[in-house]
Amino acid sequence: GEDVEQSLFLSVREGDSSVINCTYTDSSSTYLYWYKQEPGAGLQLLTYIFSNMDMKQDQRLTVLLNKKDKHLSLRIADTQTGDSAIYFCAEIPANQAGTALIFGKGTTLSVSS
Amino acid sequence: NAGVMQNPRHLVRRRGQEARLRCSPMKGHSHVYWYRQLPEEGLKFMVYLQKENIIDESGMPKERFSAEFPKEGPSILRIQQVVRGDSAAYFCASSTGTGGTEAFFGQGTRLTVV
Repeated sequence: GEDVEQSLFLSVREGDSSVINCTYTDSSSTYLYWYKQEPGAGLQLLTYIFSNMDMKQDQRLTVLLNKKDKHLSLRIADTQTGDSAIYFCAEIPANQAGTALIFGKGTTLSVSS
Repeated sequence: NAGVMQNPRHLVRRRGQEARLRCSPMKGHSHVYWYRQLPEEGLKFMVYLQKENIIDESGMPKERFSAEFPKEGPSILRIQQVVRGDSAAYFCASSTGTGGTEAFFGQGTRLTVV
């Protein structure tokens, strides 16, 4: 079945770059997403990438996709304390009837000043 | 344009009671998804609905859980005879359609069963 794996924790210093990694199993997935969840809040879509792309950049965020290895990463440049949150990787498998997302368990990013 | 609205934000129920969670999608969105997030877990898909239709309920527990999205009004996720294991955050998302269109999430309803 479909599965999305992420490392659970990442700790960085303010100003450093953060790289959050994700692996997925469904090679037919067409869309891959990164969501951010702050404590007690809902999910905020950060960015998404089509599977026919290998990179997408949006201000401080860079998404890299290695489709051969089914590996997705999110790089946050100049990480700030406000970036502390849980980051979820998600995919939409091609065999889903709708657009139901399959989520990883999330990576908790802790930024120290 | 208000986002996805869920209410209540917090709900406390005693074991055996019923819980009703409401979700109003964004204006113009006719697709609604419900997800459950257990403590320190990712979100798990429960059910996907369009107006008056359940499209995919493969993630719904077989008993006690039901969902609807009537022609008028919000989508409702109903949990009968709640148990402690139902305690979780329940998130609703809405989108305009299929094909990977962006899904917007509500703030969630945090259900606590005591």
